[in-house]
Amino acid sequence: SQTIHQWPATLVQPVGSPLSLECTVEGTSNPNLYWYRQAAGRGLQLLFYSVGIGQISSEVPQNLSASRPQDRQFILSSKKLLLSDSGFYLCAWNIGLSGNTIYFGEGSWLTVV
Amino acid sequence: TQLLEQSPQFLSIQEGENLTVYCNSSSVFSSLQWYRQEPGEGPVLLVTVVTGGEVKKLKRLTFQFGDARKDSSLHITAAQPGDTGLYLCAGAPANSGGSNYKLTFGKGTLLTVNP
Repeated sequence: SQTIHQWPATLVQPVGSPLSLECTVEGTSNPNLYWYRQAAGRGLQLLFYSVGIGQISSEVPQNLSASRPQDRQFILSSKKLLLSDSGFYLCAWNIGLSGNTIYFGEGSWLTVV
Repeated sequence: TQLLEQSPQFLSIQEGENLTVYCNSSSVFSSLQWYRQEPGEGPVLLVTVVTGGEVKKLKRLTFQFGDARKDSSLHITAAQPGDTGLYLCAGAPANSGGSNYKLTFGKGTLLTVNP
């Protein structure tokens, strides 16, 4: 069966420090991968998605970047965090041609202080 | 922009009551998903509906996809405290295709079931 894991689960970082959140998917090949941000426990905002290694699409201009160095690995990064980057970040995956359902990781709480 | 509007935004009820939450759009969706999310965790898929008029049941939860595939509802019978959580609907726009697939999410209904 397929599983998705992301880490760290919680992170407290000072303003101006770098960020790296990692996500891996097991049990499937060539998944679509996504990074979402959720503010105040409500709606999800799509930040990045990737349909293959090295292929990254950005949905909104921001202080973050994403990379996909391996088929089942997706990384969310920042060189210098802003206070506004605080939030709950969710990694997700699906298979584009076999259904429209998306599956989420456990989430990562980022607090920028 | 294809938006999914969920209502109500907040709902607080007593254990044993029935409730219905709604997910509406002016756009057509090829499918709709319902997720439940607990605080500090990722959303967990409850159901996917793909056919207009489709009804799916998951124990005390009944999901319906509108005939025109623009809306969906979730009905919970005899709610229990364990049903507490954020219920999110998400849709695949009918005009999206291929592997560049992205879901549109509603803002959710925050349900509290009091014992």
